[in-house]
Amino acid sequence: DIQMTQSPSTLSASVGDRVTITCRASQSISSWLAWYQQKPGKAPKLLIYKASSLESGVPSRFSGSGSGTDFTLTISGLQPDDFATYYCQQYNSFSWTFGQGTKVEIK
Amino acid sequence: QVQLQQSGPGLVKPSQTLSLTCAISGDSISRNSAAWNWIRQSPSRGLEWLGRTFYASKSKWHNEYAVSVKSRITINPDTSKNQFSLQLNSATPEDTAVYYCARGQVSYYAMDVWGQGTTVTVSS
Repeated sequence: DIQMTQSPSTLSASVGDRVTITCRASQSISSWLAWYQQKPGKAPKLLIYKASSLESGVPSRFSGSGSGTDFTLTISGLQPDDFATYYCQQYNSFSWTFGQGTKVEIK
Repeated sequence: QVQLQQSGPGLVKPSQTLSLTCAISGDSISRNSAAWNWIRQSPSRGLEWLGRTFYASKSKWHNEYAVSVKSRITINPDTSKNQFSLQLNSATPEDTAVYYCARGQVSYYAMDVWGQGTTVTVSS
């Protein structure tokens, strides 16, 4: 199975900050990478698919980039509603795996 | 608006079968650009994709399962009720988790609609 490694595990930031989360795959996954936001007690919510495509209804302050093995999620201008845990997810050869998550906390 | 509504017991005894159902509203389980997934989440294993079912063509359904549970899992579509189910045999305490159903888009391999989650505890 392909392993996904996210960094950092925890990130402290303030409202208005630009935040970047990285995800590295153990082998190339082309652009089959998605990003999700999860709040406590809720299901994950899709933000970005195919590495850089913004899901409908998701604010434009969220953006994704990368291909191959290295990917980033950027939040440009952190809002109070953005404090949550973020996960990357890859697809390769009939298998999906998730990163371990990055918790974005209030500084 | 597409919604997925999960149902099933929250407590399962070890060695028994864990069974959950996901009812779909606002979409058709037979739409051939969608796949219907089960994912679970636990503190020890994080988010773990378990498997999916999707309508391939000519009344044929296709299933794909994670290697970690392949010998114990069955996902079945029910077109008459527009729902799908998860069965995980020989449950152990390691199967204790929050279970989610989710719609996947076949074209880009991400899950865009999720159920509300069901906490399942495997314990005697």
